[in-house]
Amino acid sequence: SYELTQPPSVSVSPGQTARIACSGDAVAKQYVHWYQQKSGQAPILVIYKDIERPSGIPERFSGSTSGTTVTLTISGVQAEDEADYYCQSADSSGTYWVFGGGTKLTVL
Amino acid sequence: EVQLVESGGGLVQPGGTLRLSCAASGFTFRNYWMSWVRQAPGKGLEWVANINQDGSKRYYVDSVVGRFTISRDKAKNSLYLQMSNLRVEDTAVYFCVRVAGFLDHWGQGILVTVSS
Repeated sequence: SYELTQPPSVSVSPGQTARIACSGDAVAKQYVHWYQQKSGQAPILVIYKDIERPSGIPERFSGSTSGTTVTLTISGVQAEDEADYYCQSADSSGTYWVFGGGTKLTVL
Repeated sequence: EVQLVESGGGLVQPGGTLRLSCAASGFTFRNYWMSWVRQAPGKGLEWVANINQDGSKRYYVDSVVGRFTISRDKAKNSLYLQMSNLRVEDTAVYFCVRVAGFLDHWGQGILVTVSS
């Protein structure tokens, strides 16, 4: 089965840069998308197709890719960015979708 | 404004059935794939199923194959998830999601609890 691996938690102080990695064999073959989920809320899309940012998402959110790892970067982290972040992709056929286990971002 | 509103959740016994509905508005429903994603209490997101624009293609996570059926009604702008032979491990909040190659709009979710 296809899996995506994320660190369970990341902690940063306000104003610092947070980086959340997502790795998996098919990352190099399929786009990866990122979702932010704040406590008690539905997820929202923050990065799609590895590096694209939807309208309305602050510029401090960015995505990058290198080999079998994609990274969500949040520059100048703010308290409101504290949330769970999930990467999502698909198997090589694009048919079956999968989420990473999620990363809890704590703003100290 | 895109709106997705789920309904039909609740408490059901193991082995029981339940049908979730999702009312879509604010976009041309027939033009989009749609998806169901679930989240067990305190756990991460899990993709459940996708359906294409005319309902001719349906894909499921292995754990629900043969038990869940995703469907849609273009006249009612609605998405459905028929769930049968429910298990305790199906307990989760179920989200209805619009697909644009990625999951770009999410409903608020509906809780399904499977317990005796």
